[in-house]
Amino acid sequence: SQKIEQNSEALNIQEGKTATLTCNYTNYSPAYLQWYRQDPGRGPVFLLLIRENEKEKRKERLKVTFDTTLKQSLFHITASQPADSATYLCVLYGQNFVFGPGTRLSVLP
Amino acid sequence: DVKVTQSSRYLVKRTGEKVFLECVQDMDHENMFWYRQDPGLGLRLIYFSYDVKMKEKGDIPEGYSVSREKKERFSLILESASTNQTSMYLCASILERGQVKQPQHFGDGTRLSIL
Repeated sequence: SQKIEQNSEALNIQEGKTATLTCNYTNYSPAYLQWYRQDPGRGPVFLLLIRENEKEKRKERLKVTFDTTLKQSLFHITASQPADSATYLCVLYGQNFVFGPGTRLSVLP
Repeated sequence: DVKVTQSSRYLVKRTGEKVFLECVQDMDHENMFWYRQDPGLGLRLIYFSYDVKMKEKGDIPEGYSVSREKKERFSLILESASTNQTSMYLCASILERGQVKQPQHFGDGTRLSIL
């Protein structure tokens, strides 16, 4: 069956460092992949989309890579700030949307 | 900006009750979705709708039904609530299924407790 894993349930990093979140999937060939941010008590908010034929996408301090051979996406936040603390969701789309369980990122001042 | 509004942020109901969760979007989106979110499981799709009066089962439709009488409104119905339906319920909309660059727009969720 299709499975999406995000590297860890929680990740703590120091302010100013680069946060790297991992999304791995099996038994799936997504047409594209999205990353969302979710704050406590709120719905997910879209951040970035990357297609299967794209290797890398950037938006301000955010960078996403997509390796269809490794079946993996990496999500980077450079110069991280406490305001980046949230849960980040990896979402694959092939026939339908399939969500990963999320990684809770805490950026410590 | 697209706005997706869910009628209640918190809801407490009793086992066996019929429960209605309402979702309204203001951007004329064709596609609407209902998910539930549980710790460690991610969002799981319950039902979705491509158009008025159209509905499709998602991954976990058992115990739920939906209604889409108007384009902007998508309702989730728990026919006879049970304690294992205690969860966070999220509604989302998207402009057009074929437009792969369109993100989903989510409401802020309804935290439902079944006692």
